[in-house]
Amino acid sequence: GAVVSQHPSWVICKSGTSVKIECRSLDFQATTMFWYRQFPKQSLMLMATSNEGSKATYEQGVEKDKFLINHASLTLSTLTVTSAHPEDSSFYICSAYGQGDSPLHFGNGTRLTVT
Amino acid sequence: GENVEQHPSTLSVQEGDSAVIKCTYSDSASNYFPWYKQELGKRPQLIIDIRSNVGEKKDQRIAVTLNKTAKHFSLHITETQPEDSAVYFCAAGGIPTFGRGTSLIVHP
Repeated sequence: GAVVSQHPSWVICKSGTSVKIECRSLDFQATTMFWYRQFPKQSLMLMATSNEGSKATYEQGVEKDKFLINHASLTLSTLTVTSAHPEDSSFYICSAYGQGDSPLHFGNGTRLTVT
Repeated sequence: GENVEQHPSTLSVQEGDSAVIKCTYSDSASNYFPWYKQELGKRPQLIIDIRSNVGEKKDQRIAVTLNKTAKHFSLHITETQPEDSAVYFCAAGGIPTFGRGTSLIVHP
């Protein structure tokens, strides 16, 4: 149980375009999802906490107008990287807690490359 | 906020040896401490976790110890195998803050 599905697994886009990443909880409802970013050979850094039906909570230094988060249902959160630039190239990964004392489960991640 | 320090950054052992990775945290209110294994290009996979009401937890070759007074916790892997080679992350807190990671290399 507690499967988190993320799509796409990889995407290449041109500088200036926008990219949407979807994160779904397949067998449970997630009122809260977390978006992390991981640069090569570095740790996972929390970008924002996505809350169903309300605004996301962004970590310090993360531009909310650039990384748009929408959590319109209990099973879907989306992250849109707007006006992407090469420095946004990274591994983006979402996560959510399952029911009860279930641990944090991660999606497969999305490798974003901006050319 | 929470601050997690993890050591060492790299750890090289011979197959069959034990490996120990240590983490410290700053927020005394944290009560959940998971450990994740991440292979290159893949998502982190939970390997073991511990909550603050427990001092030690073991699952086959993997064990975690927690010292809440000192605010540190450790991962112990015994009888290491080449397939244990990966990056290991500790984390602390309900919204996990991750350590920098430890690249474990097990030489056959």
